[in-house]
Amino acid sequence: AQRVTQPEKLLSVFKGAPVELKCNYSYSGSPELFWYVQYSRQRLQLLLRHISRESIKGFTADLNKGETSFHLKKPFAQEEDSAMYYCALSLSGTYKYIFGTGTRLKVLA
Amino acid sequence: GAGVSQTPSNKVTEKGKYVELRCDPISGHTALYWYRQSLGQGPEFLIYFQGTGAADDSGLPNDRFFAVRPEGSVSTLKIQRTERGDSAVYLCASSPGRWSPLHFGNGTRLTVT
Repeated sequence: AQRVTQPEKLLSVFKGAPVELKCNYSYSGSPELFWYVQYSRQRLQLLLRHISRESIKGFTADLNKGETSFHLKKPFAQEEDSAMYYCALSLSGTYKYIFGTGTRLKVLA
Repeated sequence: GAGVSQTPSNKVTEKGKYVELRCDPISGHTALYWYRQSLGQGPEFLIYFQGTGAADDSGLPNDRFFAVRPEGSVSTLKIQRTERGDSAVYLCASSPGRWSPLHFGNGTRLTVT
């Protein structure tokens, strides 16, 4: 069955430290992966998608099909990065997106 | 101009009652989704509309849940005989096309007492 796993419910890092939010997926088809973010009192919004291969707000994510992972990384965390992060998988041939349970990132001053 | 709009933002109802949740997508977005998010969980897929038709309703938990989008724009999620387990945040999202990212509303927090 298709699944997205985010093993950490909470990740706390100090400002300026590197951050990595883990995401693993289970899917036999061709995956399309996304990271969505929800800042305090804001709606869920797209952060980045793997096919764009871009860096948004200093974040990058590389799809590793061998390890079935799509970890989100940033070399130097900032306080404004504190938010809830969700990894999502789009199933090819369907319109469904499957979300992970989310990781709350807290960046400490 | 505005994003996806959901009303009401909060709804408290008694067990057994009927509720309707409304979603107004971004103008021109043909795809519309409903998700449900329980505490500590990620969004869970309920139903997807492409235009007026429900292209995939496999996520609806049972026949108490129903959704419509009669004119291909506004959608209403309807829940009959509500149960306490239906308490959650109901999220609506729209997108301009099949492979486009989702634009979410702020959600409706449903509480069944």
